[in-house]
Formats: sequence, C-alpha cells, structure tokens
Amino acid sequence: QKEVEQNSGPLSVPEGAIASLNCTYSDRVSQSFFWYRQYSGKSPELIMSIYSNGDKEDGRFTAQLNKASQYVSLLIRDSQPSDSATYLCAVKGGSYIPTFGRGTSLIVHP
Amino acid sequence: DAMVIQNPRYQVTQFGKPVTLSCSQTLNHNVMYWYQQKSSQAPKLLFHYYDKDFNNEADTPDNFQSRRPNTSFCFLDIRSPGLGDAAMYLCATSSGDGMNTEAFFGQGTRLTVV
Repeated sequence: QKEVEQNSGPLSVPEGAIASLNCTYSDRVSQSFFWYRQYSGKSPELIMSIYSNGDKEDGRFTAQLNKASQYVSLLIRDSQPSDSATYLCAVKGGSYIPTFGRGTSLIVHP
Repeated sequence: DAMVIQNPRYQVTQFGKPVTLSCSQTLNHNVMYWYQQKSSQAPKLLFHYYDKDFNNEADTPDNFQSRRPNTSFCFLDIRSPGLGDAAMYLCATSSGDGMNTEAFFGQGTRLTVV
C-alpha cells in the first residue's frame, strides 16, 4: 500500500525564521510530488510541485526532492504568521491519482 | 476564473436522511475526485471518475455513491448518513494527462450529522 508520511507537528517557528517541512513516501516509482497548504476549515491549495531531484524555488518557498532516499521537503524562508497552516504532501506513483499525507501543522509566532 | 465549485459550503443533515453534495468545474478536466477529510487526517479518496469511467476505492462504504452526468458536474450521495460521516468533503479535478498534473480543489463542503 502506498504511504506518504509526515510529522503531524505542530512545528512552531518564530517570524522571520526558516520552516522546514518533511515528507517520506513508500512507493519507489513515484514521479510527481506536490505541496499543498490548507488553512483551518478550508480546502487545500497548491503551493509547489516538483518532479526532478534537486531544489525548486518559488519566492519564499523551496521544494527539495531526493528520490533515492524517498523524501521531499518544503522550506519556507522568512516565515510569516500568515504561513500558519497545515501543509500536505501529495505523491503520484504509477497512476494519475495523488496520495496525500496527513499534513504538518505549522505555527509561525510573532 | 476557471475553478472548482462545491455546494453547499455547509450542510447539516439528520442521522439517516439522504444528502447530496455537488461539485462543478470550469477547467474541463477529465478527472474528478471525491475526498473525505476528518480533523487532522489526510484526505481519503472515496472514488474518482476518469471521464465517464467510475472508480470506487475498495474501502469506500456502500453508503456513499456518486454520479457524473457530464464533464462539468459530479455529485456525492450519502444514502444514510451516520455520525461517523461528519467530515469535510473535498471535490478535486485534474487533467489526467500524464503524471505532472496537479489536483485543483473546490472549497469543500463541511457536513454535520445531527
């Protein structure tokens, strides 16, 4: 069974710090990886996608992928209180259907 | 703007009373998904359509059914809601063409069973 594992947190960081969120997956044939942000009571919204090993940067966000170690991470630089949310990792393996992790709760305190 | 719209945003239903949640999309995506999400849990896939092809997850209770009358609309029917069915129900779409396509979510429907 395909699994996507995330530490549920909460991860608490001070405003302006770097938040590091991690995700591991079990399916070795996974090819596509996505990070979603979900505010309390709201639906997930896509932040970043990554498909190749290495880093991908978009503004304050950097996604990192290491397929050999089967992990993907999301770094948030200069964290703001508005970044406080749950971050879901989603992985696509041999099909077009994404499998989601349970998410990591991030709290950015002033 | 192209988007995924779910109605209603909040639904209160009585125990055992059938309820229908709806989802529409203007993205013209061929894949539509229904997820159930309970507090602090991962979204759980109930079923999905690839065009008209219906795919039911093995552990989706028989109490849940779905209809997709056309590309734009998809419905989730809960025949006899129980207290354990209270959750956020998320509709999502994707183009389905290849692996590098993300899922777009609607705003969700929060279902309360009383």
